[in-house]
Amino acid sequence: GAVVSQHPSRVICKSGTSVKIECRSLDFQATTMFWYRQFPKQSLMLMATSNEGSKATYEQGVEKDKFLINHASLTLSTLTVTSAHPEDSSFYICSARGTSGDYEQYFGPGTRLTVT
Amino acid sequence: GQNIDQPTEMTATEGAIVQINCTYQTSGFNGLFWYQQHAGEAPTFLSYNVLDGLEEKGRFSSFLSRSKGYSYLLLKELQMKDSASYLCAVWDGDYKLSFGAGTTVTVRA
Repeated sequence: GAVVSQHPSRVICKSGTSVKIECRSLDFQATTMFWYRQFPKQSLMLMATSNEGSKATYEQGVEKDKFLINHASLTLSTLTVTSAHPEDSSFYICSARGTSGDYEQYFGPGTRLTVT
Repeated sequence: GQNIDQPTEMTATEGAIVQINCTYQTSGFNGLFWYQQHAGEAPTFLSYNVLDGLEEKGRFSSFLSRSKGYSYLLLKELQMKDSASYLCAVWDGDYKLSFGAGTTVTVRA
């Protein structure tokens, strides 16, 4: 089956610093990648959708200058949390979708971000 | 916005059956998914329904009624490893996946 990896799995950073999370599709080409955020005991909230080679589309309320998304290739998307604050501490999950006829989204294992 | 409702928690005994209901109101509909998520892990795909009716896959079955905006996930012969959160998610008219808050199922011996 299709595999999506994320790196790192856990990261702790200090308030004010930036942290980059990578999402890779290991055995398929992902034309579209999605970034979600999940707070404890809450639903996954879509942050943004990115298509390879074009700018990401952000959901309402998500600051594009704070959460920088780059989908530079068909197998890699990155999310950079800039000037992180403790309230950015969350579980970040990416997912990837292949060809337009494939409805399934394949989820990465998630990245636990803690901002101190 | 999208509105997807499911119960917060359910508890059942090992070997029993549990039914998790999901109601939705979305702008457009291109299918409904059920995912299983263990704590601290990513969701894993369980089922996809786009037409009305029941889809059976081993111990898990999923039902959809588009006219009622309703789905359920049926877990049979519950095992301890089935203790997890179950997420109902709807693919809206723009093919965006919106998730419910999840139902935590606890299986007791």
